[in-house]
Amino acid sequence: KAGVTQTPRYLIKTRGQQVTLSCSPISGHRSVSWYQQTPGQGLQFLFEYFSETQRNKGNFPGRFSGRQFSNSRSEMNVSTLELGDSALYLCASSLRQDRGRYEQYFGPGTRLTVT
Amino acid sequence: DQQVKQNSPSLSVQEGRISILNCDYTNSMFDYFLWYKKYPAEGPTFLISISSIKDKNEDGRFTVFLNKSAKHLSLHIVPSQPGDSAVYFCAAKRGYQKVTFGTGTKLQVIP
Repeated sequence: KAGVTQTPRYLIKTRGQQVTLSCSPISGHRSVSWYQQTPGQGLQFLFEYFSETQRNKGNFPGRFSGRQFSNSRSEMNVSTLELGDSALYLCASSLRQDRGRYEQYFGPGTRLTVT
Repeated sequence: DQQVKQNSPSLSVQEGRISILNCDYTNSMFDYFLWYKKYPAEGPTFLISISSIKDKNEDGRFTVFLNKSAKHLSLHIVPSQPGDSAVYFCAAKRGYQKVTFGTGTKLQVIP
């Protein structure tokens, strides 16, 4: 079974631009979460989507937004990029299985550099 | 409010011995607990999870134990290998709320 895929893997943008990152979850997984990872702040939760609806939201400004499509694929958008947005953006897909199992798998991430 | 705590920032273990990583939590409503392994500059890798209705789950060299009365869980790695050297995070989830991560424990397995 294929894992979580994220595109692009690397991206360089200029301050003020906007960017869209894409995530394809593991087949059958309906929940997709986005995280920002930086050396200083560690792993920080952005938002979670389930069945095309935002289910949870972290403490990030409105410049960060996301959406989920009917096939569970998700996109994340950052508008008016700032230097501090440089980070590894991770997508994770999860599945609550029968018999009380819950698993969440991370993709390889998109490394965004803002200059 | 740190609901998931890993009080040991680091741990060193000899190759072949058992590694025991500990995690404490404060929210008795958590119903799933997860363990992740993370290398520098990479995302976390899911290792194993356990439901709050169980007290043990095994997967190969990894076993997670849950003690609900003590609000404590541990990850046992047997036998430890040099490739296990990484930062390990425990995490917890309640219902449809987001996954809450601990602060991590850096494991070093010495050859």
